[in-house]
Amino acid sequence: EVQLLESGGGVIQPGGSLRLSCAASGFPFSSHAMTWVRQAPGKGLEWVSTISGRGVSTYNADSVKGRFTISRDNSKNTLYLQLDSLRADDTAVYYCAREKTVGTPENYCYYMDVWGDGTTVIVSS
Amino acid sequence: DIQITQSPSSLTASVGDRVSITCRASQSISTFLNWYQQKPGKAPKLLIYAASSLQTGVPSRFSGSGSGTVFTLTISSLQREDFATYYCQQSSLTPITFGQGTRLEIK
Repeated sequence: EVQLLESGGGVIQPGGSLRLSCAASGFPFSSHAMTWVRQAPGKGLEWVSTISGRGVSTYNADSVKGRFTISRDNSKNTLYLQLDSLRADDTAVYYCAREKTVGTPENYCYYMDVWGDGTTVIVSS
Repeated sequence: DIQITQSPSSLTASVGDRVSITCRASQSISTFLNWYQQKPGKAPKLLIYAASSLQTGVPSRFSGSGSGTVFTLTISSLQREDFATYYCQQSSLTPITFGQGTRLEIK
């Protein structure tokens, strides 16, 4: 069964750091790009970061650039998100998602077909 | 950045109704548009990818259409389990952007 399981969330003071993990199982992990999406309380979905299958390429939202770092360990089938310099507006449920593609290499459409249940980060003093 | 405007923001309907939700992109995104359903306290679930392809296991009453800048998600005959929040998402260019969401409620 294809599964993603996030962990590492918690309550942290402003300016603090946290590392989120997403353990993947049931599929060839290194064959898929992976993404983090977050959702602040009562708000919509916000894309955070994406990493390619081999970890060579990363993409980040402007709101987290320079503060959050996405990485992966394909030998452990695990995705990470390092959160530094946390602010109150980073409070959210953080989801990891598997990216899948359709189309040709010149014209791939990416979509998130499998999601974890999320881990909650609360930034508060 | 590509802006996605989703409408309506909320919708009240009855079981058996046909409903449509629209997303408009600020520039052409071909068919790089996906739709998700989210229920309270749960992770989003993929419904439609590449504008019109139905994800495996999703009931055929869900359909998607559109290309370029205007896209539509249609539910042909609402079932009780369809009452949820729906999001569109463009994957044409980073930053990936989502619509603001449409909350579908029971009349």
